[in-house]
Amino acid sequence: GQNIDQPTEMTATEGAIVQINCTYQTSGFNGLFWYQQHAGEAPTFLSYNVLDGLEEKGRFSSFLSRSKGYSYLLLKELQMKDSASYLCAVLDSNYQLIWGAGTKLIIKP
Amino acid sequence: GAGVSQSPRYKVAKRGQDVALRCDPISGHVSLFWYQQALGQGPEFLTYFQNEAQLDKSGLPSDRFFAERPEGSVSTLKIQRTQQEDSAVYLCASTLAGEVNEQYFGPGTRLTVT
Repeated sequence: GQNIDQPTEMTATEGAIVQINCTYQTSGFNGLFWYQQHAGEAPTFLSYNVLDGLEEKGRFSSFLSRSKGYSYLLLKELQMKDSASYLCAVLDSNYQLIWGAGTKLIIKP
Repeated sequence: GAGVSQSPRYKVAKRGQDVALRCDPISGHVSLFWYQQALGQGPEFLTYFQNEAQLDKSGLPSDRFFAERPEGSVSTLKIQRTQQEDSAVYLCASTLAGEVNEQYFGPGTRLTVT
């Protein structure tokens, strides 16, 4: 079966750095997405990786290793508004998005 | 409008009632997706349209669920004879042509079946 694993919840301090990991086992791979979802709101796109390596976009970076079935989202200089759920999703061989359950990130002052 | 809109935002239905959920995608977006999201979970794929054609409906949980997009823009997800396990947030997303494009999500419809 297809599986996306990410931690249920993480806590970090304002101004610090946090890394949210995602491992996946899917039938085929056409890229990995990270989305941010605030409580009661729609997911919003953060990043897309299809090749191995690190993609940096401001305070957020996303890394992919296809051979390991592994990705992480790195958030720097954390702000209170970064408190949200972070969803990892893989595009499988049928171009269907397979979603993880999300990691709830709690930022403390 | 600027983004994907969905209506109603909240719907309470008695068990056995039929409901219809509407999605207005971003103008010009070819692909439209419906997802079901339970509390504390990621979205689960329901169905996918490219223009008016429903190319994948493998995620629809039962034949009580039906989706259409007759003119290739607005889509409706209909649930017949609702059951308590249908309670969830139903998200709609749209993209430009091309499966790997980022999906733009609507705010969702929270359905509660009592």
